[in-house]
Amino acid sequence: QKEVEQDPGPLSVPEGAIVSLNCTYSNSAFQYFMWYRQYSRKGPELLMYTYSSGNKEDGRFTAQVDKSSKYISLFIRDSQPSDSATYLCAMGWTYKYIFGTGTRLKVLA
Amino acid sequence: EAGVVQSPRYKIIEKKQPVAFWCNPISGHNTLYWYLQNLGQGPELLIRYENEEAVDDSQLPKDRFSAERLKGVDSTLKIQPAELGDSAVYLCASSSTRQGSPGNEQFFGPGTRLTVL
Repeated sequence: QKEVEQDPGPLSVPEGAIVSLNCTYSNSAFQYFMWYRQYSRKGPELLMYTYSSGNKEDGRFTAQVDKSSKYISLFIRDSQPSDSATYLCAMGWTYKYIFGTGTRLKVLA
Repeated sequence: EAGVVQSPRYKIIEKKQPVAFWCNPISGHNTLYWYLQNLGQGPELLIRYENEEAVDDSQLPKDRFSAERLKGVDSTLKIQPAELGDSAVYLCASSSTRQGSPGNEQFFGPGTRLTVL
């Protein structure tokens, strides 16, 4: 069993839809939880990070961590075609991240 | 502020040949990472440097891979000899311990896409 599990998709949604992306993990010692966005032929860029259970909101993005269930989510509101990318969850400790496989998202205009 | 710079962006070589990748981190970032990303997978850490010291190289296949970070700035990752299974994207990232972010945000470069024939 992998330490971090993420559905690879692809996930196709119409423009304006609410997108829900999820990861599960097995290591209860993880301290930090992050979401990265990766466009084709580009490096990952950090979208959100959280340290504790609960929600964190930044514009159209909301990150949610449930440590009791070992489950994290990223919600994208009012999705746009420019949100089409691969979304990678990552978790771990300072300097040491374990990445999920990434979920490919396509937002249709 | 310039981002992490990597070169070359693409490299095609025949198996058993050597290959080297170069990374220039964000100015002032003392921590540098090399990751391997296979198609359809997330990045996997190969090595982490704190200044010029390799502090985590446990995942680096040392029989064929080597890395250096002279003067604690630029870094080079080398494969010799390359094998077919080495075809992947090699990502460099950097972070600063002086940042306020508790996770020490890692900034990634665009990567070098290696194809071994």
